[in-house]
Amino acid sequence: DTAVSQTPKYLVTQMGNDKSIKCEQNLGHDTMYWYKQDSKKFLKIMFSYNNKELIINETVPNRFSPKSPDKAHLNLHINSLELGDSAVYFCASSYRDSYSPLHFGNGTRLTVT
Amino acid sequence: AQSVTQLDSQVPVFEEAPVELRCNYSSSVSVYLFWYVQYPNQGLQLLLKYLSGSTLVKGINGFEAEFNKSQTSFHLRKPSVHISDTAEYFCAVSSYNNNDMRFGAGTRLTVKP
Repeated sequence: DTAVSQTPKYLVTQMGNDKSIKCEQNLGHDTMYWYKQDSKKFLKIMFSYNNKELIINETVPNRFSPKSPDKAHLNLHINSLELGDSAVYFCASSYRDSYSPLHFGNGTRLTVT
Repeated sequence: AQSVTQLDSQVPVFEEAPVELRCNYSSSVSVYLFWYVQYPNQGLQLLLKYLSGSTLVKGINGFEAEFNKSQTSFHLRKPSVHISDTAEYFCAVSSYNNNDMRFGAGTRLTVKP
């Protein structure tokens, strides 16, 4: 199926641990994103990559590090997890044009205990 | 940078009634406007988009939206809602000179029998 797929779907971990979320898209898009959705459903952009180049880097703690090995993959690594990192993280992709809609994955629900 | 305000955080409505979800945007340049829907435990899906041309845009599931440049609004409407329309709805904006898509805070539409 053509889609944006991210793994894992659920991630439960303890404070201080390091974890990664993986994202892959087979839509042929050249731009990929990470968004964070908090408990009030507010969506905030974290990072955007175009053809493996970082183009958007919002004010996010440097414990969060994105990595894009190729334009079809964008992973998110989080060091020293904190309680406040608990949220749903969405990967999305699109063409570079600003009029292209985003295609979202189904999210990774991260719970830090 | 562009921004979006969704004026209602929750909209309860009875089945088969009409509904309007309000969205206002702010930008110093030309914009592209989008509505997305998020069903529980899923990612966001595109409902409709306005790029240019006719100000009345039709989308999936019987939804439509009207772009009003003078009022900087892009309200979403449906003449008769179904129980299955219960979801979170997000208005989003991007500007022609960047693909940094910004989302509103979301409107929770609850359709009651």
